[in-house]
Order: sequence, then structure tokens, then C-alpha cells
Amino acid sequence: DAGVTQSPTHLIKTRGQQVTLRCSPKSGHDTVSWYQQALGQGPQFIFQYYEEEERQRGNFPDRFSGHQFPNYSSELNVNALLLGDSALYLCASSFLRGEQAKNIQYFGAGTRLSVL
Amino acid sequence: GENVEQHPSTLSVQEGDSAVIKCTYSDSASNYFPWYKQELGKRPQLIIDIRSNVGEKKDQRIAVTLNKTAKHFSLHITETQPEDSAVYFCAASRPGWGKLQFGAGTQVVVTP
Repeated sequence: DAGVTQSPTHLIKTRGQQVTLRCSPKSGHDTVSWYQQALGQGPQFIFQYYEEEERQRGNFPDRFSGHQFPNYSSELNVNALLLGDSALYLCASSFLRGEQAKNIQYFGAGTRLSVL
Repeated sequence: GENVEQHPSTLSVQEGDSAVIKCTYSDSASNYFPWYKQELGKRPQLIIDIRSNVGEKKDQRIAVTLNKTAKHFSLHITETQPEDSAVYFCAASRPGWGKLQFGAGTQVVVTP
């Protein structure tokens, strides 16, 4: 049973570029959340996707956008990259459908983004 | 919005001793409190969680306590081992919310 998988593992971009990060949730999960983790800090919530729609959003600018596909996988897009976007981007999956719905989130290993 | 404060930021213990990490939260509507362990370069791993309808939960050497009145919860690790060395994060969430609000983390170092 595969856990949460993310790709790529590392990425180097320059200021102003755009980046797309990918996440496949744990088998049986229907919800994907994205977090940004700066060095030495706790993860910060970016947004959550459920039923292919953005369900909740944290305090991140519109440069951060996402998408969820019918197979529940998800993408995080960041436009007009800034130096401050350098961080570990974590994806977490959970199960929200029906009576067994719980917000127990399991994390992937993350994508390390460096903006030069 | 929700704010979670975590203390201490670093914790050094001798192998075999106990470690305690404390978190306070600001949103009285929060009802779910997970703890994650993150080793260097690895993913955050859920180690234990508690919901607001219980006051304590235990899993082998790990326990979590919740005081809803004071709005704080704590992680207790007994009989610490070198493999317990990692950064530990607490988090809080409201019912029906996807967002986990994390604390800043506690670096735990267990010395043999």
C-alpha cells in the first residue's frame, strides 16, 4: 500500500519562474492538503482540495494555486517565484467522505524548492 | 485565527529519562490535536493524536494529555531512547476544517 508520494524531490528555479509540484495521496484517501515548511519552522497551511475544489485556504497570495484530479492526485502551482518561496513543500492526504470522515493527515516526503 | 505556541524549542534528555513538550492553543473551537515527529530530511510522521472528547491517550511510551479549560495539551515520552531524537510538532484543528495549525517545533536530543 503506497503512502503519500510527491515529485520531484528537489527543484531549483530562478526568480520570476513558475513551478508545478505533484502529489499522489495515500490509497483510499480523497483529500489533499498542501503546506509550506521554511527551514526551522512548522508547516504552514496553503490550501486543501476535496472533490476537485479548493475547500479551505491559508494566508498565501494568489500566486499559489492548485488543482485536484478525478483520481484525487493534486498539483501545486506557484507563479512569479520569489526568493522567499524557497522551502520544503509538503503534501498531506486524508479521508473526508461519509461518516468515517476524519482530518487525520499523512504527509509525503516533500519537494525541496530552491529559488535563486 | 488559531495560534499554537510550543515549548520548549529545544530539549536535551538522558537516555531513559522522560521528555515533556507543551502546547497552548488560542481557538476554543479546536477539537483535534495531533503530534508529528520529523527526523532530519524525512516526512512529518503522525505519532499520536487526541480529540477534545477525551483527556488522555497513551500508546506504549508516548502519551498525550489535553486540558480544554486551560487550552493546552502535552506530549509525554517515557524511557527515552536515542531513536526518539527528532523535531516534534504539535498541531490543532477545528471541526470540519482541513487546516492544521502547527506549533514551531521542539528539537529533542536524547544522549546515551
